[in-house]
Amino acid sequence: GQNIDQPTEMTATEGAIVQINCTYQTSGFNGLFWYQQHAGEAPTFLSYNVLDGLEEKGRFSSFLSRSKGYSYLLLKELQMKDSASYLCAVRDEDYKLSFGAGTTVTVRA
Amino acid sequence: GAVVSQHPSWVICKSGTSVKIECRSLDFQATTMFWYRQFPKQSLMLMATSNEGSKATYEQGVEKDKFLINHASLTLSTLTVTSAHPEDSSFYICSARNRDYYEQYFGPGTRLTVT
Repeated sequence: GQNIDQPTEMTATEGAIVQINCTYQTSGFNGLFWYQQHAGEAPTFLSYNVLDGLEEKGRFSSFLSRSKGYSYLLLKELQMKDSASYLCAVRDEDYKLSFGAGTTVTVRA
Repeated sequence: GAVVSQHPSWVICKSGTSVKIECRSLDFQATTMFWYRQFPKQSLMLMATSNEGSKATYEQGVEKDKFLINHASLTLSTLTVTSAHPEDSSFYICSARNRDYYEQYFGPGTRLTVT
């Protein structure tokens, strides 16, 4: 089975940096994804890691350590529109995604 | 590229009726489609995986006779919720994948309300 943990909520100030951690214990691993989801909408792809290390993509970066079963999503220069739920998802060898419960990020002015 | 559409975007139906939700990949061939369900303030839960031309594989606890999935072509999968009950009210999201892509592409979701 899959066990994916991430914090429930985080609050940060506009312009700041926030790091969302995700730990996982899975029966198979074929990549880790981060998605952003606004209320009532489908998830949108943010990042993908399959090898250890940091992937940078504009204001968003994602890190993976497979040996530790750990990933984080780093959001820099926060904007109000970044207020959303951020989902950590682990893919298995059958390309199925298992999602964490999501972290609701609230950006305050 | 890689656009997935769903229809309808929302639907209200009476208890006991059936509802069909369509998922289409608009600009690529989806060798695999996935159906998820999301209850309010919860994460996405995978319901089933369907490969074109073969029967869907359902996750544990999902009733295959209640949630009928058809993936008859490389661009279309349908989910039919049969004999819907209020507890089936949820946000249903499909995603599609082509074996050449590393990611899944999500549809915009369908909000089902059963009264």
